Amino acid sequence: EAQVTQNPRYLITVTGKKLTVTCSQNMNHEYMSWYRQDPGLGLRQIYYSMNVEVTDKGDVPEGYKVSRKEKRNFPLILESPSPNQTSLYFCASSLSDRGNSPLHFGNGTRLTVT
Amino acid sequence: QQQVKQSPQSLIVQKGGISIINCAYENTAFDYFPWYQQFPGKGPALLIAIRPDVSEKKEGRFTISFNKSAKQFSLHIMDSQPGDSATYFCAVTNYGGSQGNLIFGKGTKLSVKP
Repeated sequence: EAQVTQNPRYLITVTGKKLTVTCSQNMNHEYMSWYRQDPGLGLRQIYYSMNVEVTDKGDVPEGYKVSRKEKRNFPLILESPSPNQTSLYFCASSLSDRGNSPLHFGNGTRLTVT
Repeated sequence: QQQVKQSPQSLIVQKGGISIINCAYENTAFDYFPWYQQFPGKGPALLIAIRPDVSEKKEGRFTISFNKSAKQFSLHIMDSQPGDSATYFCAVTNYGGSQGNLIFGKGTKLSVKP
């Protein structure tokens, strides 16, 4: 089944403890991205990648890191999480990096930082 | 500056009624306007999209109306059903441009009452 898989689905951690949220797609998609969803703020892009070894900042990149060493994987790294990073995170991928290419989203990772 | 304004934030409609969600954008360079649908516990999924060379696009009970001069577009859900209860996001981007330029509205939570 074609899908974007995020892990874990739920994560509770403490301030300052490094964590990684994994994202993998099995559709051979070129483009991958990370979004956070907060009530009243909608979906905001954190980072995106147009291809292997190519990443770029989105609208809210502060406090996050990403890497794209393989085409299928695009992990999101929080080096020193803070409570304001408590949010619902979505990974997405699309066949190409063109604007008309539909985004396919994972089912989300709910992160709580205490 | 908010690039795309979506309203209302929430909407309650009776079964069989018409649901209408509106979006307005600022930048006339945008030329691709997708709508995404998100069910609880799931990631968003592309529902329908329109380009400004047409004023309306219909897919089943879902219709996008587009007003280029007013820089507005709307999603109409005819004969709304309880299964349509979800959060809807409009988005703006460039058809042939980078997927990284995709900007989402803040979302509308639709509840269809039986």
